[in-house]
Amino acid sequence: NAGVTQTPKFQVLKTGQSMTLQCAQDMNHNSMYWYRQDPGMGLRLIYYSASEGTTDKGEVPNGYNVSRLNKREFSLRLESAAPSQTSVYFCASSEDWGGKLFFGSGTQLSVL
Amino acid sequence: GESVGLHLPTLSVQEGDNSIINCAYSNSASDYFIWYKQESGKGPQFIIDIRSNMDKRQGQRVTVLLNKTVKHLSLQIAATQPGDSAVYFCAEKGQGAQKLVFGQGTRLTINP
Repeated sequence: NAGVTQTPKFQVLKTGQSMTLQCAQDMNHNSMYWYRQDPGMGLRLIYYSASEGTTDKGEVPNGYNVSRLNKREFSLRLESAAPSQTSVYFCASSEDWGGKLFFGSGTQLSVL
Repeated sequence: GESVGLHLPTLSVQEGDNSIINCAYSNSASDYFIWYKQESGKGPQFIIDIRSNMDKRQGQRVTVLLNKTVKHLSLQIAATQPGDSAVYFCAEKGQGAQKLVFGQGTRLTINP
């Protein structure tokens, strides 16, 4: 099993550009999450989907949107990228809400 | 509010020695704790978890100790190996809470 797969692994954007980060899990998990990781800030929750068909804001949702496309896939969209969104983004999933998280390998995003 | 912190941001140990990574938490209602390992360029990887009705749990070469009296969590790694070099995060979830709260991380380096 691949677990949690994220694409792309690296991305460079110019300020104002848009892009979508893709995430898929093959563990039949109900819940999926998007985190960002910045030096000295730890992992911060952007958005989550407790179950298929639902999405909710986390700690730092501003500037992002998400789509739970189906049970497997959960995408994160930056509509108008800003330098403050330069970060490493991790997708994660858990069998149920609040359970043990399984993380993808991350997307390193730079916004110039 | 709830917070999770670490006593030491870095820890260096000799190969073969035991490592102890500490974590303090402030929410006395937390009932679930997890340790993650993050190697350079990778996503966090689950190591071991413990619920508040336990004070010790053992895995392969790792032991997690929970002291609810002083709100302290530790991860012990036996016979530390070069492959243990990574950043280690603790995370907690309060009873009824909807998300894990991550600490800042401790970087473990192994001296040959």
